[in-house]
Amino acid sequence: SQQGEEDPQALSIQEGENATMNCSYKTSINNLQWYRQNSGRGLVHLILIRSNEREKHSGRLRVTLDTSKKSSSLLITASRAADTASYFCATDALNDYKLSFGAGTTVTVRA
Amino acid sequence: DTGVSQDPRHKITKRGQNVTFRCDPISEHNRLYWYRQTLGQGPEFLTYFQNEAQLEKSRLLSDRFSAERPKGSFSTLEIQRTEQGDSAMYLCASSLFRVEGNEKLFFGSGTQLSVL
Repeated sequence: SQQGEEDPQALSIQEGENATMNCSYKTSINNLQWYRQNSGRGLVHLILIRSNEREKHSGRLRVTLDTSKKSSSLLITASRAADTASYFCATDALNDYKLSFGAGTTVTVRA
Repeated sequence: DTGVSQDPRHKITKRGQNVTFRCDPISEHNRLYWYRQTLGQGPEFLTYFQNEAQLEKSRLLSDRFSAERPKGSFSTLEIQRTEQGDSAMYLCASSLFRVEGNEKLFFGSGTQLSVL
């Protein structure tokens, strides 16, 4: 079973616009991570936010975490065609160090 | 750049045949994971190793699946008597696990299995 659920399932935006996707999870966590996957390839780690952090930035990425609501959001600012990919949140539950992934959000950036 | 490598990239087999996949992790990484991914879904955990010890195997994993990591280096995943439902992308990932946490996974490009 998958711990996280992303919303929306798919997102289509114009180049230059911002893309926001959300992740909800079920159990208390150590940290939450976001990964990107280009079609037919492996996943690439984007950013990690610890359970005691509320917001984190990395380049054009901004991640928030609300542990009281068991939810996170990923914002990609000023999107580019190269941002077209599937984005997955992943969590490791307390005392269970393996990562569980959601079903992902597919982002299409139109030129 | 010596990332995680998987071999083969693609495998087509007939139902009932056995298949074996190989994963070479990043050399200094002590943990190695196997995940399975079907179209439109996220990776599903199969099993993981810390060094040569297999620490956990998914309850959903059939006895037809077996994985090894001899000497704590490369790993193999074998599927015996393949079924059409085994068709998926098999992803390997490695990490440097520390007690303090914040473990990031580095994924290979995967092996795409098609069972006819």
